Amino acid sequence: DTAVSQTPKYLVTQMGNDKSIKCEQNLGHDTMYWYKQDSKKFLKIMFSYNNKELIINETVPNRFSPKSPDKAHLNLHINSLELGDSAVYFCASRSGGAHEQFFGPGTRLTVL
Amino acid sequence: SQQGEEDPQALSIQEGENATMNCSYKTSINNLQWYRQNSGRGLVHLILIRSNEREKHSGRLRVTLDTSKKSSSLLITASRAADTASYFCATDDGSGANNLFFGTGTRLTVIP
Repeated sequence: DTAVSQTPKYLVTQMGNDKSIKCEQNLGHDTMYWYKQDSKKFLKIMFSYNNKELIINETVPNRFSPKSPDKAHLNLHINSLELGDSAVYFCASRSGGAHEQFFGPGTRLTVL
Repeated sequence: SQQGEEDPQALSIQEGENATMNCSYKTSINNLQWYRQNSGRGLVHLILIRSNEREKHSGRLRVTLDTSKKSSSLLITASRAADTASYFCATDDGSGANNLFFGTGTRLTVIP
């Protein structure tokens, strides 16, 4: 069984569109994250979220918004997509008592 | 920025040789983690070393930490072709969310 899953795996869209990436974890973890990996393989934290607190990296544009319908899901909504949003987006989760994060397989977003 | 740096950026070795990757970071840490990323995949946690530890082993992996120099190294002994991947160090921000800040990564190629 996949611990952290993301859909879709690939997403190709036009500039200006709004899109969502879904993330689900079946590990019972308390905290979930979104990371962005650019073309140079730099990984940067975008958001962390548990059922009590959303922490936003201040460099993330407000066009990006995480939404958590329940503890097992943290979806990423992106409005008015721009060329620079093209990247691979990774979801991750962590148990409250541990430091190790479990990553999803990634979603490759291409904005044309 | 807390993002660290790793060197070398790329490393190519013969199967059976040892591979050493280095990581430098900028801020005080509680712990440092190493992750592995196979091409087109998500990251997988390898090992964690706490700030009060100097060395840690896990199978063929050996991690060292020098907090005075703000640096860590990952040694993979007796490398295998299957070790071919990118390796990232990561430090957390010490907050309750344990947001991770990744290094720039080392691309390791093990030639059979």
